[in-house]
Amino acid sequence: QVQLVESGGGLVKPGGSLRLSCAASGLSFSDYYMGWIRQAPGKGLEWVSYISASGRTIFYADSVKGRFTISTDNAKNSLYLQMNNLRAEDTAVYYCAGDQLPNWFDVWGQGTLVTVSS
Amino acid sequence: ETVMTQSPVTLSVSPGERATLSCRASQSISSHLAWYQQKPGQAPRLLIYNAATRATGIPARFSGSGSETEFTLTISSLQSEDFAVYYCQQYKNWPPWTFGQGTKVEIK
Repeated sequence: QVQLVESGGGLVKPGGSLRLSCAASGLSFSDYYMGWIRQAPGKGLEWVSYISASGRTIFYADSVKGRFTISTDNAKNSLYLQMNNLRAEDTAVYYCAGDQLPNWFDVWGQGTLVTVSS
Repeated sequence: ETVMTQSPVTLSVSPGERATLSCRASQSISSHLAWYQQKPGQAPRLLIYNAATRATGIPARFSGSGSETEFTLTISSLQSEDFAVYYCQQYKNWPPWTFGQGTKVEIK
């Protein structure tokens, strides 16, 4: 059974940092195209970042470029999102999600809440 | 960036009735469209990909159609568990992968 479990969310002050983790079971990140997608409170879905199955191709939304870094650790079967210089508008539930093609998102974690507030 | 626009924002439907949701792309995306269902406090669930292909385990009452810039998600006979928010997402012109703002299907 495929499962993704996020962790690492919490309350952080503006300008602070957080590192989100996404642990996988039942799948290997070397076979999956993965992304982080966020949802601000009461709002819709926003794609944040993408990493290819090989790890060689990475993209970021303009809103986070230069502040967020996506990575994987295949040995730990984990996906990460390092978030620096956080802003109030980064407040959201962050989901890791992916598929075996870089198209739609078939597998989702339960999400982890990031709150940026002083 | 391809902007996805969904309508209506809210759809009020009685159980057993048909629901029709629309999604429009700001430029042609061929059939590179997915639909998701999201219930309160839950992650989105993939319903449809390639505009018309149901994902694994999705009931036949869910169907998708359309191409280029106009797409439709139809729920043929609404069940109680279908009341949720539905999102469309394009994967023709990426990055970025873009979502519509969502349509909430509520009980009439």
